[in-house]
Amino acid sequence: DTGVSQDPRHKITKRGQNVTFRCDPISEHNRLYWYRQTLGQGPEFLTYFQNEAQLEKSRLLSDRFSAERPKGSFSTLEIQRTEQGDSAMYLCASSTLWQNSGNTIYFGEGSWLTVV
Amino acid sequence: SQQGEEDPQALSIQEGENATMNCSYKTSINNLQWYRQNSGRGLVHLILIRSNEREKHSGRLRVTLDTSKKSSSLLITASRAADTASYFCATPFSGNTPLVFGKGTRLSVIA
Repeated sequence: DTGVSQDPRHKITKRGQNVTFRCDPISEHNRLYWYRQTLGQGPEFLTYFQNEAQLEKSRLLSDRFSAERPKGSFSTLEIQRTEQGDSAMYLCASSTLWQNSGNTIYFGEGSWLTVV
Repeated sequence: SQQGEEDPQALSIQEGENATMNCSYKTSINNLQWYRQNSGRGLVHLILIRSNEREKHSGRLRVTLDTSKKSSSLLITASRAADTASYFCATPFSGNTPLVFGKGTRLSVIA
């Protein structure tokens, strides 16, 4: 069973550049989530999709952040005009939608972003 | 906004001892989950407890839930050095919405 896959695992970019992260969820999962985590903190929810529909995006950190899931399979998270404060680990997770059994989510290994 | 808060923020114990971590949350929930994260890695689901459950076991893990106090605890018995990690509680905003995580407890188990 293939888990959640994220690419790249590490990215170093210069301030002002755009970066894009890709997430491939577990194949039968229809929900996909993006979180951000900084050192010493818990994951901070950013946005999520159910199939191709983006159900929540108000928690994206600024209008420089955008996410897509065009065919309801993989997703991309783009950060435009990166700032040093964007340096963090970006975590993708996926889940099935089981109304009565809780919403356990499965995380990828994360994509580390360093903005210099 | 943060739903769950873990306590203590950091815990250091000797191998073989038990480790207890607590989580308090703010609003009514239908389930609470605990996750583990090794340094620099993704999170791994440990256990889910529903609001109508008071205690749940999984191997060396025991989770309790007190909905009247809006709190949960995670007990790891007979800890091992490999248990060294950060532990997070997570709850949905409501219903089946995405999980909100606390800041975590960083557990160090010394061999």
